[in-house]
Amino acid sequence: KAGVTQTPRYLIKTRGQQVTLSCSPISGHRSVSWYQQTPGQGLQFLFEYFSETQRNKGNFPGRFSGRQFSNSRSEMNVSTLELGDSALYLCASSLETGERYEQYFGPGTRLTVT
Amino acid sequence: AQSVTQLGSHVSVSEGALVLLRCNYSSSVPPYLFWYVQYPNQGLQLLLKYTTGATLVKGINGFEAEFKKSETSFHLTKPSAHMSDAAEYFCAAPVGNNRLAFGKGNQVVVIP
Repeated sequence: KAGVTQTPRYLIKTRGQQVTLSCSPISGHRSVSWYQQTPGQGLQFLFEYFSETQRNKGNFPGRFSGRQFSNSRSEMNVSTLELGDSALYLCASSLETGERYEQYFGPGTRLTVT
Repeated sequence: AQSVTQLGSHVSVSEGALVLLRCNYSSSVPPYLFWYVQYPNQGLQLLLKYTTGATLVKGINGFEAEFKKSETSFHLTKPSAHMSDAAEYFCAAPVGNNRLAFGKGNQVVVIP
């Protein structure tokens, strides 16, 4: 089975712009979670989608949003980019929603905001 | 509230020596715990998971971890380090459906 794929892998944007990142989960997986990874804050949970519904949300401003499509693919959007949004954004898929299900991560999208 | 605690950022180990990475969890954490590894410029790869049952869990690449409820610990070990083990390792616990709280990570350096 193919793993979790994320596009693009690298992105450079300017402050004030917006960006959309894409994630395709493992075939058959219905849950997609997003995380932000920075050297200072480590790995932080953004949100989780299951059956096209946001089930869980982390402590991030409203500029961060996401959605999930009927084929379980997910996108996250960041509007009005700030320098502090520079990070590695990781997507993870899971078979179902629940604490006991392990998450499988994609390679990430490296976002640089200048 | 921090759910898992990893002590120490960088861990240096000689090739062939024991690798020991410590993780302690909050007592309120459900009985599911995970270790992930991240190689440079890559995502996280699941090393092993504890989901009740046997307290000694074996994972990939020769790693194992022991769940000790009395010590609220889930330390990761490998008897003999290999150069390919150089990576960053994260302990994680669920704090909601498909929501993981990660430790700060340990950067492992293997010295030849």
